[in-house]
Amino acid sequence: DIQMTQSPASLSASLGETVTIECRASEDIYNGLAWYQQKPGKSPQLLIYNANSLHTGVPSRFSGSGSGTQYSLKINSLQSEDVASYFCQQYYDYPTFGAGTKLELK
Amino acid sequence: QVQLKESGPGLVQPSQTLSLTCTVAGFSLTSYNVHWVRQPPGKGLEWMGVIWNTGGTRYNSALKSRLSISKDTSKSQVFLKMNSLQTEDTATYYCARDSQLGGFDYWGQGVMVTVSS
Repeated sequence: DIQMTQSPASLSASLGETVTIECRASEDIYNGLAWYQQKPGKSPQLLIYNANSLHTGVPSRFSGSGSGTQYSLKINSLQSEDVASYFCQQYYDYPTFGAGTKLELK
Repeated sequence: QVQLKESGPGLVQPSQTLSLTCTVAGFSLTSYNVHWVRQPPGKGLEWMGVIWNTGGTRYNSALKSRLSISKDTSKSQVFLKMNSLQTEDTATYYCARDSQLGGFDYWGQGVMVTVSS
């Protein structure tokens, strides 16, 4: 099984700030990585796929990067509606998720 | 308009079998794979398994002995059955469509299942 280690577990940031969330895979996943946003009581929503491709309708302040075993999600100019939990997922092998990052406003 | 909706019992007794249905609209099960994912309260996401557009299946190795996924293409429904439920199976269960490009692009609203006597 491919393990996904996501950090940080929680994050507090101010409006307009840039935040970065990272995921490390236990082996090379060849860009088979997605990022999701989940708001309380809601289903996860796809943000990024193939490590750096923006899903349809997702604001351009979200971006993904990385390769090999190291990947990151960056949110530029944080907005109040970005308060949520974020999960990475690898799908190079059968899918596994990171433990999540809870993003709050400072 | 693509939609997925889970249905099933909210309460299951320990050692019993869970049966859930995912009813989809706006796409064909012969064209897309559908996954099941669960999330215990306040915790992260766990992939459970997938049914391919071809009808083949693959399961999380940790659940494989208890889990079965099937579908009725004519009714646009995907079924999940998991036996020998325990309290740690208490979770919100989601079905989600594989985007074909990477990741899961549409998710159901989820159904909360509590395992308790």
